[in-house]
Amino acid sequence: SAVISQKPSRDICQRGTSLTIQCQVDSQVTMMFWYRQQPGQSLTLIATANQGSEATYESGFVIDKFPISRPNLTFSTLTVSNMSPEDSSIYLCSVGTGGNYGYTFGSGTRLTVV
Amino acid sequence: TQLLKQSPQFLSIQEGENLTVYCNSSSVFSSLQWYRQEPGEGPVLLVTVVTGGEVKKLKRLTFQFGDARKDSSLHITAAQPGDTGLYLCAGGYGANNLFFGTGTRLTVIP
Repeated sequence: SAVISQKPSRDICQRGTSLTIQCQVDSQVTMMFWYRQQPGQSLTLIATANQGSEATYESGFVIDKFPISRPNLTFSTLTVSNMSPEDSSIYLCSVGTGGNYGYTFGSGTRLTVV
Repeated sequence: TQLLKQSPQFLSIQEGENLTVYCNSSSVFSSLQWYRQEPGEGPVLLVTVVTGGEVKKLKRLTFQFGDARKDSSLHITAAQPGDTGLYLCAGGYGANNLFFGTGTRLTVIP
């Protein structure tokens, strides 16, 4: 299975600033997924990122707040823009080859907004 | 809207005890996956079940997919402290969609 390197692993940020999270995969993948996991909660899909096209956002998430880049088949970034304390969460990227085969996750970015 | 509800939400047991975690939905899924997540890490896939009624065993863990493909269970025999973590079920639908359950936080006390 793919190996994902995600960074930063954690950060403490001031409200109103932005943070860009990077995910590097050791193999080429068509789709990458970005999730948010609020403290003690399950995972919520933010968006799906395909190389060469606009990311597809889930209900409740918008491109202005969470812009995503997917410049090639091994790399993606998620930016959390104009942060507020409510954005404090763990953000995870993942890759998968289809719903039946499971997904591999990065180790997550623990974001605290103060 | 798919909703996968897990029960119990929290579980604290003594080492050596058995336990079962349930994952229930009103929606039909093409597959059902179970993940375990430890602090500071992303979820790690334990198993995928795709056929209604399917049972899979992974050492002390037994996974079952309901006949109607709407629910699943995870049974752990003789739990060990290393089993401690957040257990997540996830339903697959469509080509590349995955919907996560509400999670069960398990603590196994030595």
